[in-house]
Amino acid sequence: QVQLQQWGAGLLKPSETLSLTCAVYGGSFTGYYWNYIRQPPGKGLEWIGEIDHSGSTNYNPSLKSRVTISLDTSKNWFSLKLTSVTATDTAVYYCVRGRKSSGRPDAFDIWGRGTMVTISS
Amino acid sequence: DIVMTQSPDSLAVSLGERATINCKSSQSILYSSNNKNYLAWYQQKSGQPPKLLIFWASTREPGVPDRFSGSGSGTDFTLTISSLQAEDVAVYYCQQYYNDPRTFGQGTKLEIK
Repeated sequence: QVQLQQWGAGLLKPSETLSLTCAVYGGSFTGYYWNYIRQPPGKGLEWIGEIDHSGSTNYNPSLKSRVTISLDTSKNWFSLKLTSVTATDTAVYYCVRGRKSSGRPDAFDIWGRGTMVTISS
Repeated sequence: DIVMTQSPDSLAVSLGERATINCKSSQSILYSSNNKNYLAWYQQKSGQPPKLLIFWASTREPGVPDRFSGSGSGTDFTLTISSLQAEDVAVYYCQQYYNDPRTFGQGTKLEIK
């Protein structure tokens, strides 16, 4: 059974870079998209972006200028970097497996437990 | 971006009764080449990550109780819980994966009356 275990700094100051890593246990990167999704406190869900096993990425245009998602297949993990953070980036960040169907994205089927990241001076 | 709008924002239903949540997309999410609606439903209980319930608008994820069902096509979709159980208290989200950026509805909070 595939599990996602994530970690990273939980408290940052404005203008710093958010860094999170997600390890994939019990499965392979191949055949899926690997995503980050965030949820501000008490609010809804926002898709940040994805990476596939080849390292090809796709980002939400609203965050594209600040986001990098990368992959380390030797360690079976993928990572998120979000630069120049502000208070509006305060959220629970989830790493999420996305299924692939006929080469197109499918639903998000496995979620990490989430990491609360707070941006405060 | 495709805007997903859920209704109602909150809902209180008695145990054993039917709960219905609606989701409307700002454009059709029916892919004509395969006749599939690119819509999923998720359940998020307090303090937990979302859990996939339904994909392709009406296909239940393995392990999801059959009291959960999805319907609809094009731009209008519905999640139905046929007989509400106490463990179904949660926030429910619809999500489109027709195109990028993938987007979610604002959520519907389901409570026991």
